[in-house]
Amino acid sequence: GESVGLHLPTLSVQEGDNSIINCAYSNSASDYFIWYKQESGKGPQFIIDIRSNMDKRQGQRVTVLLNKTVKHLSLQIAATQPGDSAVYFCAETTGNTGKLIFGQGTTLQVKP
Amino acid sequence: DAGVIQSPRHEVTEMGQEVTLRCKPISGHNSLFWYRQTMMRGLELLIYFNNNVPIDDSGMPEDRFSAKMPNASFSTLKIQPSEPRDSAVYFCASSLVGGGGTEAFFGQGTRLTVV
Repeated sequence: GESVGLHLPTLSVQEGDNSIINCAYSNSASDYFIWYKQESGKGPQFIIDIRSNMDKRQGQRVTVLLNKTVKHLSLQIAATQPGDSAVYFCAETTGNTGKLIFGQGTTLQVKP
Repeated sequence: DAGVIQSPRHEVTEMGQEVTLRCKPISGHNSLFWYRQTMMRGLELLIYFNNNVPIDDSGMPEDRFSAKMPNASFSTLKIQPSEPRDSAVYFCASSLVGGGGTEAFFGQGTRLTVV
């Protein structure tokens, strides 16, 4: 029979507005937290990472915030553009393995 | 560098047939990862290699799945026999572990359909 897939959370924003995508994690021992972007038909693409001993890191138009107290990670995208429309995944890694454990994903829709 | 190269991009096969997915990692990377993506389970790590040696295969669903990395520039993921529930997009990724940072580079994926 037909399987029912997960319904990814969706964030819809107006072009030019700021976007905030949230993620909860469970492993307090993770060393790094990472955000990936996946466009339709493509593999995930690295955006930015943050080490567990930091609480904020900025990149070009993106900022990642880490709140270890409540095990929460967020990705802020400034001046969202149509090209930002994609599924965004948070991921965590522990130890020097490179092994990524991915979260569920959030779909970002940018309205022109 | 052309990035991580996977082949084929699409594969349709009948239940019971053997399927082989191929991956060429980025030159100079020392770690290679196979992931599976489905709507039900999201992105799951199946197995990863470091310096061509399998380190963790705990994500491999069952004995029907096997992976090899005979050299630093090639890896295969084989499913024998394939079943409809194996239908998914399979991604290969490579990274330079120990080189600082966490960036893994993903291929375009192989969309597998088992009918």
